[in-house]
Amino acid sequence: DVKVTQSSRYLVKRTGEKVFLECVQDMDHENMFWYRQDPGLGLRLIYFSYDVKMKEKGDIPEGYSVSREKKERFSLILESASTNQTSMYLCASSSTGGYGSPLHFGNGTRLTVT
Amino acid sequence: GNSVTQMEGPVTLSEEAFLTINCTYTATGYPSLFWYVQYPGEGLQLLLKATKADDKGSNKGFEATYRKETTSFHLEKGSVQVSDSAVYFCALSDGGGADGLTFGKGTHLIIQP
Repeated sequence: DVKVTQSSRYLVKRTGEKVFLECVQDMDHENMFWYRQDPGLGLRLIYFSYDVKMKEKGDIPEGYSVSREKKERFSLILESASTNQTSMYLCASSSTGGYGSPLHFGNGTRLTVT
Repeated sequence: GNSVTQMEGPVTLSEEAFLTINCTYTATGYPSLFWYVQYPGEGLQLLLKATKADDKGSNKGFEATYRKETTSFHLEKGSVQVSDSAVYFCALSDGGGADGLTFGKGTHLIIQP
């Protein structure tokens, strides 16, 4: 079974801090994604990556950056955390096997910015 | 652009009731369709999928049929259990690359004993 591991389940950070959210997958997937999940808004794509060192903006990239130095690891960076970035963050991966390939999700990181 | 519409709920049912969660979509071309489930405190996991018109996806007693003529992919289960309480997401992939996955907003299902 594919395993997508997010390094923290809960994080509490202060406004203005630099925050790193880490995600590792163990199935050699090409594609990796970062979403945020908010009540009433569903899942919104922040960034995705289809290869090492490649990244593409999703629907809501403002205030975020990403890093993919190795195939298995995809990091989300909040350069200067703000209270409106309090949310559940979900990492996912998928293989490049045609458009029927499903996403595999981690268990999420609930970030609170105070 | 692509979009997925589903009832948001919460939907509250008694155990052993019949379940339908409606999902309709807008997309160009011929997307693949998915249902994901999110149990409390967990990430999303794939429940079932269908990749072409008239395909039926099924898993754990849940079923959904890809209806191109009505652009729908309704989720059904004949007899729900308390353990089915979760949030259910309908999604589509249009094959437009790694960014081609569009989610609905999720339907919160509550099953009462």
